[in-house]
Amino acid sequence: EPEVTQTPSHQVTQMGQEVILRCVPISNHLYFYWYRQILGQKVEFLVSFYNNEISEKSEIFDDQFSVERPDGSNFTLKIRSTKLEDSAMYFCASTSLAGLNNEQFFGPGTRLTVL
Amino acid sequence: ELKVEQNPLFLSMQEGKNYTIYCNYSTTSDRLYWYRQDPGKSLESLFVLLSNGAVKQEGRLMASLDTKARLSTLHITAAVHDLSATYFCAAYYGGSQGNLIFGKGTKLSVKP
Repeated sequence: EPEVTQTPSHQVTQMGQEVILRCVPISNHLYFYWYRQILGQKVEFLVSFYNNEISEKSEIFDDQFSVERPDGSNFTLKIRSTKLEDSAMYFCASTSLAGLNNEQFFGPGTRLTVL
Repeated sequence: ELKVEQNPLFLSMQEGKNYTIYCNYSTTSDRLYWYRQDPGKSLESLFVLLSNGAVKQEGRLMASLDTKARLSTLHITAAVHDLSATYFCAAYYGGSQGNLIFGKGTKLSVKP
């Protein structure tokens, strides 16, 4: 069964460093999302992406964040200068255009630890 | 702004008992999702509810949606230990490219 994959599973970085989190959405999906979950808290929407541009973004997704689809398969989230409060689990999700339910399928997540 | 409230946030149950988790949302949303998350793991889709009165069942879990009351419920029947996890409801926000707004989650612990 096709699934969303994410790399790395765990990333440790120093405050102020840039990180890139990578996702490979399900191959026939057209809409892509990033969410984050701070430990023990709820899942929060960051950004949605369609047709090579951002569709929507939340207040969390400030100028330090960017997303890109550099090729036909990868979808990346870049944090330019990490802060301690960026430590969280980051989930990528994708959905297809077809079907009313627009069910979003989530990847296994990348745990980001900022020291 | 769409807000999603879940209760209870913590639930400790005995095996064999029944219980219901409630999910209220603040503004109109035409789709409601339930996800399960095991510790340190990703979100597993359980149910997608698309219309008023929708009811879906899978094993010991049954989900329903009342769009007029802006309420969804997840009912657990005769709980077993394997159901221990955190359950999130999420309401759909936006147009065709919309995102999900999640509740805080209900951490369920089923004890023998």
